[in-house]
Amino acid sequence: KAGVTQTPRYLIKTRGQQVTLSCSPISGHRSVSWYQQTPGQGLQFLFEYFSETQRNKGNFPGRFSGRQFSNSRSEMNVSTLELGDSALYLCASSPSPGQGANEKLFFGSGTQLSVL
Amino acid sequence: GQNIDQPTEMTATEGAIVQINCTYQTSGFNGLFWYQQHAGEAPTFLSYNVLDGLEEKGRFSSFLSRSKGYSYLLLKELQMKDSASYLCAVRDSSNYQLIWGAGTKLIIKP
Repeated sequence: KAGVTQTPRYLIKTRGQQVTLSCSPISGHRSVSWYQQTPGQGLQFLFEYFSETQRNKGNFPGRFSGRQFSNSRSEMNVSTLELGDSALYLCASSPSPGQGANEKLFFGSGTQLSVL
Repeated sequence: GQNIDQPTEMTATEGAIVQINCTYQTSGFNGLFWYQQHAGEAPTFLSYNVLDGLEEKGRFSSFLSRSKGYSYLLLKELQMKDSASYLCAVRDSSNYQLIWGAGTKLIIKP
């Protein structure tokens, strides 16, 4: 079974541009969540999708948006990029937003975004 | 507010035992997770605790005390490949979000 696939692996953008990141979950997984990871800080929750619906959203500005398609693939978009958006963006999937250990997340390798 | 604290870095010797602590303050509680993350790689699931007590899984064990807002991850018979960051995360039942600690970087020396 293929793991969670994120593309691209690396991305360099300049301030003011926008970027779209892609995530393909493990086959059969319908829940996808996105996180931002920066050195010295914990993973910051961005949003979670299940069956094409956003179930939960973290405390990020409206420049950060996402969506999920009928095949469970998800995209994340950041508009008007700022230097502070430079980070590793991780996508994680799970079979469903269930209870207990069934919630364990399977992470992709991430997209390393650098904003210059 | 919501807060999870872990030591930033720990050093241990190959073959020894190390305990990584995690304390949390969240509005609600619906389970605590430990993940391992090697440098440049994705986090991988290690353990889950929702009830008080010890969960053992091979060389790794995880403990939870809900009344104290405290957990630890115990690693035995340390191997060089255990050098990684260990992330503690709590599911907050008030908003169903996973709150993450900054991670503990574990360095194993021969």
